[in-house]
Amino acid sequence: DAKTTQPPSMDCAEGRAANLPCNHSTISGNEYVYWYRQIHSQGPQYIIHGLKNNETNEMASLIITEDRKSSTLILPHATLRDTAVYYCIVRAYSNSGYALNFGKGTSLLVTP
Amino acid sequence: GAVVSQHPSRVICKSGTSVKIECRSLDFQATTMFWYRQFPKQSLMLMATSNEGSKATYEQGVEKDKFLINHASLTLSTLTVTSAHPEDSSFYICSALIGYGYTFGSGTRLTVV
Repeated sequence: DAKTTQPPSMDCAEGRAANLPCNHSTISGNEYVYWYRQIHSQGPQYIIHGLKNNETNEMASLIITEDRKSSTLILPHATLRDTAVYYCIVRAYSNSGYALNFGKGTSLLVTP
Repeated sequence: GAVVSQHPSRVICKSGTSVKIECRSLDFQATTMFWYRQFPKQSLMLMATSNEGSKATYEQGVEKDKFLINHASLTLSTLTVTSAHPEDSSFYICSALIGYGYTFGSGTRLTVV
């Protein structure tokens, strides 16, 4: 799986958009970008994933650059409950039984 | 959506005793499950991969005789920490592969005293 690089921490004011960047310059053509988050002392929660097109769901938007070497997760209106560690993971879309490998992620703090 | 129920959420045990953690897939069949361990302020570290009906595959450095994994059915996988010691105190999380995605349990906080 391609390696990802994320800033260790970010702050965001409540109600504002949180933009979390991720670099994955060695991504392969068949690898997807997944985003998960982990609120303190809970299991990871799926947010969104994409291959090359921008994606949006009820939680967030995922913007992937044209060369696919980086992406940005956007939480459009951050709330205090969005304070969590956000993980960007790149891996092939497969049911082959390989686990997700978590890096250090970005610790997002949403402040009042 | 697919839910993995993990129990207990927290457990305190005495050094030398064994603790069993259960993960159940509630509305789907989990052929493959993963077990992670997470120490304070660190990321999730994969411990082992289990496939229903076969022996688990352990990551390098994880003692298979200490961390016993049983995946005898398509809806239940268990992790037993045998002869637990204080250094085994950690947050243990299971995950199931469902189709092409992953769902996670809520985690178990193990404290060995």
